[in-house]
Amino acid sequence: DAKTTQPNSMESNEEEPVHLPCNHSTISGTDYIHWYRQLPSQGPEYVIHGLTSNVNNRMASLAIAEDRKSSTLILHRATLRDAAVYYCILRDVLTGNQFYFGTGTSLTVIP
Amino acid sequence: NAGVTQTPKFRVLKTGQSMTLLCAQDMNHEYMYWYRQDPGMGLRLIHYSVGEGTTAKGEVPDGYNVSRLKKQNFLLGLESAAPSQTSVYFCASRPRLPTRPHQETQYFGPGTRLLVL
Repeated sequence: DAKTTQPNSMESNEEEPVHLPCNHSTISGTDYIHWYRQLPSQGPEYVIHGLTSNVNNRMASLAIAEDRKSSTLILHRATLRDAAVYYCILRDVLTGNQFYFGTGTSLTVIP
Repeated sequence: NAGVTQTPKFRVLKTGQSMTLLCAQDMNHEYMYWYRQDPGMGLRLIHYSVGEGTTAKGEVPDGYNVSRLKKQNFLLGLESAAPSQTSVYFCASRPRLPTRPHQETQYFGPGTRLLVL
């Protein structure tokens, strides 16, 4: 599975938008981009995923670069409950039985 | 639905002792996974299973064994615990959707904290 690179940590003020970047320069054509987050003392939970087009759901938006070598998870209005570690993961839908989590980005939300 | 449950929630072992961690899911998922997470680190895959009676090694399988005798249960065994196995263990499951493989997201349990002295 292709590797992803994320900043170790980011900060955001409460009720402001947050853009969490992820680089995946070796992405293949059958790799889907998945985002999970892990709240303190909990297991990870699914946030959003996409292939080429931008995606929106009730939790977040996913913006995917035209060349697919990077993506950005967008939280439109950060709340204190969004403080978590966010993981960007590539999974090949044809062969990917495994998910490689990496170390993720630790998001701190400042009141 | 309870989702993914893990037993026990917390355990302390002495070096050399053995134990089994139980993961159960009630979503009829085909795939099940065991991960470990060390302080300040991401999750690392230990073993996984793509169906009843089948298991495969992940990134860090040494010192662990697994079994999937029933579809809903995935057991992780430590035959002789070592301090290096002190960690938080997460179980996960996901469905197999042949017509929508991109929708196959993982569902995680609450974790088991293991301390090996």
